[in-house]
Order: sequence, then C-alpha cells, then structure tokens
Amino acid sequence: AQKITQTQPGMFVQEKEAVTLDCTYDTSDPSYGLFWYKQPSSGEMIFLIYQGSYDQQNATEGRYSLNFQKARKSANLVISASQLGDSAMYFCAMRGDNAGNMLTFGGGTRLMVKP
Amino acid sequence: DVKVTQSSRYLVKRTGEKVFLECVQDMDHENMFWYRQDPGLGLRLIYFSYDVKMKEKGDIPEGYSVSREKKERFSLILESASTNQTSMYLCASSYRGRGGTEAFFGQGTRLTVV
Repeated sequence: AQKITQTQPGMFVQEKEAVTLDCTYDTSDPSYGLFWYKQPSSGEMIFLIYQGSYDQQNATEGRYSLNFQKARKSANLVISASQLGDSAMYFCAMRGDNAGNMLTFGGGTRLMVKP
Repeated sequence: DVKVTQSSRYLVKRTGEKVFLECVQDMDHENMFWYRQDPGLGLRLIYFSYDVKMKEKGDIPEGYSVSREKKERFSLILESASTNQTSMYLCASSYRGRGGTEAFFGQGTRLTVV
C-alpha cells in the first residue's frame, strides 16, 4: 500500500516570497515517482513537476522545485517568487512503478497568496 | 491537444438510481483512473484500470463498480446511488510505465444525489 500525507490544509504567503508545501509518503515499492499538481478555482488539474525515486538531482521547472529527501520520505514543493495566480489547491501524488502504476494523492494544501 | 472528456459536468440523480459516469481519452493511454474529490479529503482513488477489461480497487471502491470494454473508455457505475456519494468525480489517464508520465485529468463531474 502507498500513502501520501500533506499536513498543511491551508497556507498564506506574501506575494514575491518563497513558500514550501510539505509532502511525505510511504511505500514499499523500491521504484516510484512523485508528482505535484495545481488545482485553481476553475477545477482543472495542472501538472507541475515530477521526481523519480532514482533521480540524483532535485527536479526543477521554472519557479517550481522539488526538495526530495528520500531517507526522510519527503517531497516538498518549493514555489519561488509567489504570484497572485499561484493561489490554488496543491496536491502531491505518488505512482508506484511496481504497483501497476496506481496513482495516489494526498489531501491537498490550499495556498493563498497575499498582495 | 491531449484530451480526457467526462460525459457530464453536472449531474443530479435520485437515491437508489443506477448512475453511469463516462470518461473517454484520446491519447491511447493504458492507465485510467476514477477519483472522488471531497473538501479536506483530497483525491481518493475509487478504481484503476491498466488495460482493457482489467481493474483494481482503489481506496474507496464500496458502492462503485467500473467497466473498461475499450481502451479509450472507462465507466464508473453507482449501482444504487446514495446521498453520501454526492461529490466531485474526476477521471484521469496516463501511459503505463516508469518515468515522468504524468496523468491527464478530465474536467470533473459534480454529482448530487437527492
């Protein structure tokens, strides 16, 4: 079984500041992938960033970076220079590569960017 | 442009009705998923299919069944709808395999059972 935990139901950040959204996971699968998705108020799910369990370097995509600490089973999302358009729900997800590609999500974090 | 299409955006059904939610993808993806999204609970996996006619239970399969007769179509069935199945339902699809093959989502179906 695999499990994703996001302990921050809601967060505020000042515009232009950086923010870290926490994600911890649990799995017995030795090979897995970690994903972050953004869901704005419109409801669409937008893929942000991916980290493979065997990747040596932390993933980055523009203002998004993933702070991957394998031993601690954490995969925190860092958003630099927050913008008002970053206000949304953020979901961490995991896919176990040997678990038939089952994709499991956490409970989400609502981020609110203050002007 | 990749697409996952859910048959309805909004649906209102009566308690006890049999309800079908349809999902179609045009990307030739092997994997398809059904989730329900409730405030504070995130996305919970109901069922997952990795091939035609293949299915696996997710975290909350009770009260639901699924059908995948064709690769592009994955149906979620509520055999006898109940008010606690009022929720947002999201369908997703992805390629099978390792690497950064992200899942693509439909627009969601907001189901209200009265």
